[in-house]
Amino acid sequence: DVQMTQSPSSLSASVGDRVTITCRASQSVAHYLNWYQQKLGKAPKLLIYAASNLQSGVPARFGGSGSGTDFTLTIASLQPEDFGTYYCQQSYRTPRTFGQGTTVEIK
Amino acid sequence: QVQLQESGPGLVKPSETLSLTCTVSGVSIKSSYWSWIRQPPGKTLEWIGHIFHDGSTTYNPSLKSRVSMSVDTSKNQFSLKLTSLTAADTSVYYCVRRVVQGNNWFDPWGQGTLVTVSS
Repeated sequence: DVQMTQSPSSLSASVGDRVTITCRASQSVAHYLNWYQQKLGKAPKLLIYAASNLQSGVPARFGGSGSGTDFTLTIASLQPEDFGTYYCQQSYRTPRTFGQGTTVEIK
Repeated sequence: QVQLQESGPGLVKPSETLSLTCTVSGVSIKSSYWSWIRQPPGKTLEWIGHIFHDGSTTYNPSLKSRVSMSVDTSKNQFSLKLTSLTAADTSVYYCVRRVVQGNNWFDPWGQGTLVTVSS
């Protein structure tokens, strides 16, 4: 299986901060990498697909980059509603696998 | 607007079989692939497998011996069966559309249903 490792596991940042979450795959997944946001008690929501494509309706402050084994999710200016847990997911190999999650807390 | 809704028991006994159904609205089930993903309390997400409207399936090898999926195009539903349950199968189970456009991703997700395995 392709192991997905996210860092950090959690972070605390202030409104307006630039936040970066990284995701590393144990082998190349090309650009087959997606990002999801999950709020407590809710289903995950797609933010970024194919490494860098913003899902319709997602605010432009979210951005994704990377290819191969190293990927980044960036929140350009953190907003109060951005708290939650963020997951990366590779869609290159079966089984599809997710990172362990990064929990974002607003200071 | 595509919507998915899981239904099934919230409590199942160890060694029994879990049966869940997902009802799809807003789009024909023939239009896409459909997946099941689960999340144990406090843990990350685990992909269980997916099914196409023709009944073709792909399962997670770690669960393959216990999983089966089916689709009912007349009802716009697809289903999951998981046998020989243990406490480790306690999770929130999500039904999800698998979008395939060159690349592939999961969107949207059902609200999820908590399944507890306990006697």
